[in-house]
Amino acid sequence: EAQVTQNPRYLITVTGKKLTVTCSQNMNHEYMSWYRQDPGLGLRQIYYSMNVEVTDKGDVPEGYKVSRKEKRNFPLILESPSPNQTSLYFCASSLDRGARVTEAFFGQGTRLTVV
Amino acid sequence: QQPVQSPQAVILREGEDAVINCSSSKALYSVHWYRQKHGEAPVFLMILLKGGEQKGHEKISASFNEKKQQSSLYLTASQLSYSGTYFCGGAGSYQLTFGKGTKLSVIP
Repeated sequence: EAQVTQNPRYLITVTGKKLTVTCSQNMNHEYMSWYRQDPGLGLRQIYYSMNVEVTDKGDVPEGYKVSRKEKRNFPLILESPSPNQTSLYFCASSLDRGARVTEAFFGQGTRLTVV
Repeated sequence: QQPVQSPQAVILREGEDAVINCSSSKALYSVHWYRQKHGEAPVFLMILLKGGEQKGHEKISASFNEKKQQSSLYLTASQLSYSGTYFCGGAGSYQLTFGKGTKLSVIP
């Protein structure tokens, strides 16, 4: 089954404790991205990657890091989480660059709470 | 910059029609539409490409005015299952950027 898998689904952590949210897709997609969703603000893009070792900032990259060492994986790293990073996070992938002509597939989401 | 959606929220009775609008200040390669149920991931509905090609849902239609960079999603004869938050996404050169969403509630 074609899918994007995120882990964990739920996470409660303390301020300053480094964490990683994993994302893996099995569709051989080149393009992957991370979004955060907050009430009233919609989905805002954090980082995106056009291929292995190629990443770039989205609209809200502050406080986040990413890496793309393998085509299928695109982890999101919060090196020193703060309460304002409490949010619902989605990983997405698409076959083409920037999803210009094909749909984006979303993972099931990770609900992060930073206390 | 995020596309701008309107209205922010709408309540319909079963069988009624609705239109959701999406406007972008920058040139787009395509427009996407997704629906999200509470607590779930967004689900793809439709993509509208430059030149008029559409791909997606059979019962929901949409349009894309390339000159104005505006898109509209048409929901006809709404069903209870249409309830959710609808997002438009604008695809540029490298990014897929979403609007803030339109919450649609369909009541019996």
